[in-house]
Amino acid sequence: NAGVTQTPKFQVLKTGQSMTLQCAQDMNHNSMYWYRQDPGMGLRLIYYSASEGTTDKGEVPNGYNVSRLNKREFSLRLESAAPSQTSVYFCASSEERTQYFGPGTRLTVL
Amino acid sequence: QKEVEQDPGPLSVPEGAIVSLNCTYSNSAFQYFMWYRQYSRKGPELLMYTYSSGNKEDGRFTAQVDKSSKYISLFIRDSQPSDSATYLCAMSALGGSYIPTFGRGTSLIVHP
Repeated sequence: NAGVTQTPKFQVLKTGQSMTLQCAQDMNHNSMYWYRQDPGMGLRLIYYSASEGTTDKGEVPNGYNVSRLNKREFSLRLESAAPSQTSVYFCASSEERTQYFGPGTRLTVL
Repeated sequence: QKEVEQDPGPLSVPEGAIVSLNCTYSNSAFQYFMWYRQYSRKGPELLMYTYSSGNKEDGRFTAQVDKSSKYISLFIRDSQPSDSATYLCAMSALGGSYIPTFGRGTSLIVHP
């Protein structure tokens, strides 16, 4: 039982490049989330998916897109990376109110 | 003003001390309260959760909710260097979205 897994663990991009962050959970949870965490800013919700086939914007969705591929997988895409997107990205899943987080992806945009 | 306020610290204590970590909130609809622990370069992990008011104890950890004051606390007894981490409070309302509102986290350092 791996819980929530994320790939890659680290990534360096140049401004304007694109990439997709992958997330998968094996707990059969309906809801999945993408957060970014920046120093002094705490966790900020980017997008979430309450169930397979649905996605909704969170607090800071600009510059990101998501895909809920199936019940297990929820990906986050940066179409044209900007230095302001340098952050640590966490994926989480939940059945009700308690969330289970992945180990994070450290992204640097130069 | 953010819905959930949490002092970022750092809070530095000697080993064996009793630690008190706190959050205040403004939304009276919050009924479900959680504490997450996040070690450096790791994802947050759920430590404890409580529903409505009162206390909940789990080993050296006690979570306390005072809804009349809109104030929640996490107490750590006999603190250990391994407790050094960032502690995030989170809370959500009963109805509607289950998405929690997080505090910014308090950094705790327990030195030997």
